[in-house]
Amino acid sequence: NAGVTQTPKFRVLKTGQSMTLLCAQDMNHEYMYWYRQDPGMGLRLIHYSVGEGTTAKGEVPDGYNVSRLKKQNFLLGLESAAPSQTSVYFCASREGRANTEAFFGQGTRLTVV
Amino acid sequence: EDKVVQSPLSLVVHEGDTVTLNCSYEVTNFRSLLWYKQEKKAPTFLFMLTSSGIEKKSGRLSSILDKKELFSILNITATQTGDSAVYLCAVDDNQGGKLIFGQGTELSVKP
Repeated sequence: NAGVTQTPKFRVLKTGQSMTLLCAQDMNHEYMYWYRQDPGMGLRLIHYSVGEGTTAKGEVPDGYNVSRLKKQNFLLGLESAAPSQTSVYFCASREGRANTEAFFGQGTRLTVV
Repeated sequence: EDKVVQSPLSLVVHEGDTVTLNCSYEVTNFRSLLWYKQEKKAPTFLFMLTSSGIEKKSGRLSSILDKKELFSILNITATQTGDSAVYLCAVDDNQGGKLIFGQGTELSVKP
């Protein structure tokens, strides 16, 4: 039972480099989310998707892009990494109906130097 | 703008104490409020609350929602060191599935 899987788990980037974080879920969930977690800040929503081919901005979308080409995958891209994007990134998914819980991946720790 | 605010931000107690964590919210179209526990890794689900005044209970943890005053509390009785974690509150805003979290409360339970 894989649930929500994030790849990679750790990454160090140099300023200006690009990378893509992959989130895959095997629960046939409609909704998927990308959050970042910084000390004392809780989880801040970056982008989210309510179905294949759709995406929407969250609270802190600047510097990130996303794509949901397949229902089971939600990709988060950093085109030109900045030190301010050093964070732990969590992906989550849930069913596309009212009052359902979200399930989280194990997180990706990203350091931008 | 949607907002979820938790208090206190951190709390240190001793084993056996009872704690109350608070979560207040301002959202356009409230649908449900969720509580999660996070221990150094992925958050795990505790409770979902949709109706005012109905207590949800699981062992030593309980939670209740007040939709009139726009807040929820999470109670933990007879705390144990294993309760040490960050407790996160989230609100499901009925606008296209958005799920907004608060800052979290970091609870430390000392032996």
